[in-house]
Amino acid sequence: EDQVTQSPEALRLQEGESSSLNCSYTVSGLRGLFWYRQDPGKGPEFLFTLYSAGEEKEKERLKATLTKKESFLHITAPKPEDSATYLCAVQVLSGTYKYIFGTGTRLKVLA
Amino acid sequence: DAMVIQNPRYQVTQFGKPVTLSCSQTLNHNVMYWYQQKSSQAPKLLFHYYDKDFNNEADTPDNFQSRRPNTSFCFLDIRSPGLGDAAMYLCATSGAGAKNIQYFGAGTRLSVL
Repeated sequence: EDQVTQSPEALRLQEGESSSLNCSYTVSGLRGLFWYRQDPGKGPEFLFTLYSAGEEKEKERLKATLTKKESFLHITAPKPEDSATYLCAVQVLSGTYKYIFGTGTRLKVLA
Repeated sequence: DAMVIQNPRYQVTQFGKPVTLSCSQTLNHNVMYWYQQKSSQAPKLLFHYYDKDFNNEADTPDNFQSRRPNTSFCFLDIRSPGLGDAAMYLCATSGAGAKNIQYFGAGTRLSVL
């Protein structure tokens, strides 16, 4: 069964304290891995997509990496405005193309 | 410029009273999705349309229906809402095929009294 697991469930950081979020997956035939940011009461906002092991993408303080079994979202010197839930999703082919989401990591950055 | 628009943002209904949520898109994407998301949980796919072809998830209750009258619009109908249906409902769109990014609307928060 296709599965996506994110860890930790919640993370509290001091402003400037770098860390990494993990997304591990077991799927049959990964087509793409996607990172989203979700603020409370809002829809997920697209951040990155990664397609093959070894690929990396960067945007401001965020950097996403991909291996054959997991992806990391590295947050460098976070600011309070980075506080949100970060969701990971994988695209698989199951009849049609579908996206399977993890439960997310709730990040809180303290000033 | 909103690309996936959901209305209303907040919906309150009574137990058993039918409710319809709407989604429109300006991206001209082939695929439209409806997800249910409860607090601290992953978005759960209810169904999706590939053009006019409807694809229902096996565990989506019969209480949930959907319509896609044209490329731009998609509706989620909940025929007899129960207390357990209170959730955030997310609409998303994507292009067809592999490697396409899903874009989400802001969601509709449904409360059932």
